[in-house]
Amino acid sequence: SAVISQKPSRDICQRGTSLTIQCQVDSQVTMMFWYRQQPGQSLTLIATANQGSEATYESGFVIDKFPISRPNLTFSTLTVSNMSPEDSSIYLCSVVGLAGPPETQYFGPGTRLLVL
Amino acid sequence: AQKITQTQPGMFVQEKEAVTLDCTYDTSDQSYGLFWYKQPSSGEMIFLIYQGSYDEQNATEGRYSLNFQKARKSANLVISASQLGDSAMYFCALPSYGNKLVFGAGTILRVKS
Repeated sequence: SAVISQKPSRDICQRGTSLTIQCQVDSQVTMMFWYRQQPGQSLTLIATANQGSEATYESGFVIDKFPISRPNLTFSTLTVSNMSPEDSSIYLCSVVGLAGPPETQYFGPGTRLLVL
Repeated sequence: AQKITQTQPGMFVQEKEAVTLDCTYDTSDQSYGLFWYKQPSSGEMIFLIYQGSYDEQNATEGRYSLNFQKARKSANLVISASQLGDSAMYFCALPSYGNKLVFGAGTILRVKS
């Protein structure tokens, strides 16, 4: 089965700084997504990462705060910009297009972010 | 709009017993699928099982099975012979437009020895 990796696995950052999270898949996939999971909460979709074009953001999320790149069918990055303590969350990438039932999303291991 | 409701914030089950985690949903789609994911304390999201709305039989995957009642719009997850490693958060999810997933609030399961 395909492997999805994320870097870093966790980080502690100072407010006002930015962090870029990488998501790498070892096979080509059709769709990639970025989710945020705040402490004790469910997952919320940030955006769909589109290959070769601008990401599609969900309501409440903007490109200036969460710039996303997807240069090819196996890699994407999410940047959390100008961080505040409210950005402390688990950030997860997911992909569609691997084995399994249609529309099945497989997730990376997540990035735990703590902002001080 | 798609909506998922998980009404059990937390559940306890004795090791080796079965447990049912509830999930109800709302959708206007005629054809859809339902997913269950497990999230251990490590944070990763693990795909467990899928049920298609037109599948004639309830989905099963090892110790996991779905009690799918389409008329009631419920898709409850049954875990048989619970193990300590089953202790985790469990999420029910429904696809929305653009292949996005809408997640329920989740249920924390604790398996007691």
